[in-house]
Amino acid sequence: QKEVEQNSGPLSVPEGAIASLNCTYSDRGSQSFFWYRQYSGKSPELIMSIYSNGDKEDGRFTAQLNKASQYVSLLIRDSQPSDSATYLCAVRGGSYIPTFGRGTSLIVHP
Amino acid sequence: DADVTQTPRNRITKTGKRIMLECSQTKGHDRMYWYRQDPGLGLRLIYYSFDVKDINKGEISDGYSVSRQAQAKFSLSLESAIPNQTALYFCATSGDRGDYGYTFGSGTRLTVV
Repeated sequence: QKEVEQNSGPLSVPEGAIASLNCTYSDRGSQSFFWYRQYSGKSPELIMSIYSNGDKEDGRFTAQLNKASQYVSLLIRDSQPSDSATYLCAVRGGSYIPTFGRGTSLIVHP
Repeated sequence: DADVTQTPRNRITKTGKRIMLECSQTKGHDRMYWYRQDPGLGLRLIYYSFDVKDINKGEISDGYSVSRQAQAKFSLSLESAIPNQTALYFCATSGDRGDYGYTFGSGTRLTVV
C-alpha cells in the first residue's frame, strides 16, 4: 500500500512568517511530486511540482525534495492570510496514478 | 469557460435513487478521473479512464459506475444512492503520465438523505 503522510495540523503562523509544510511517502520508486492548495469547499489547485532532488522556487513558494529520505516539503515565504487553506501533497509512482495525502491545514493570522 | 466543468454543483437526493454526475473538459486530455473527498479522509479515487476505451476501478468503486462517452466527457453514476455516499465529488484530467499534475473541476456536493 503506497502511503503519503502529512500532519493534519492546523499549522498556525503569523502573517509575514515562513510556513513549512511536510510530506513523507513510502514508495521509493516515486517519480513526480505535487503540492495542491485547496480552499474550503473548493477544488484543489496545483501550485508546485517537483521531479528531482533539491529545491524548486516559484515566487513565494519553494518545493524541496529529498528522495533518499522520501521527504518532500513546501515552504511559503512572507505568508499572507490568503494563504490560509489546506495543502495536499501528491506523489506519483510507476502506475501514473498519484497518491494523495490527507492534507495539512494552514492558518495565517494577521 | 472552465477547463473542467462538473454538473450539477449541488444535489440532494433520496436513498435508493439513481443519480448521474457529469464532467466535461476542454483540455484535450485523454486521462480523466473521479474522486470523492470526505472530511479527514482526503481524496479517494473512484474510477479512472486513460482513453475512451479504457476504464479502470479505483480504490472505492463499489456502488459506482462510470461512462466515458467521448474524450471530453466522463460521467459517474450512483445506481442506488445511500447516505454514506454523501461527499464532495471531483472530476479531474491530466496529460499523459500525469506528470504535469491534475486539473480539477469545481466539484459536486452530493447529499443523500
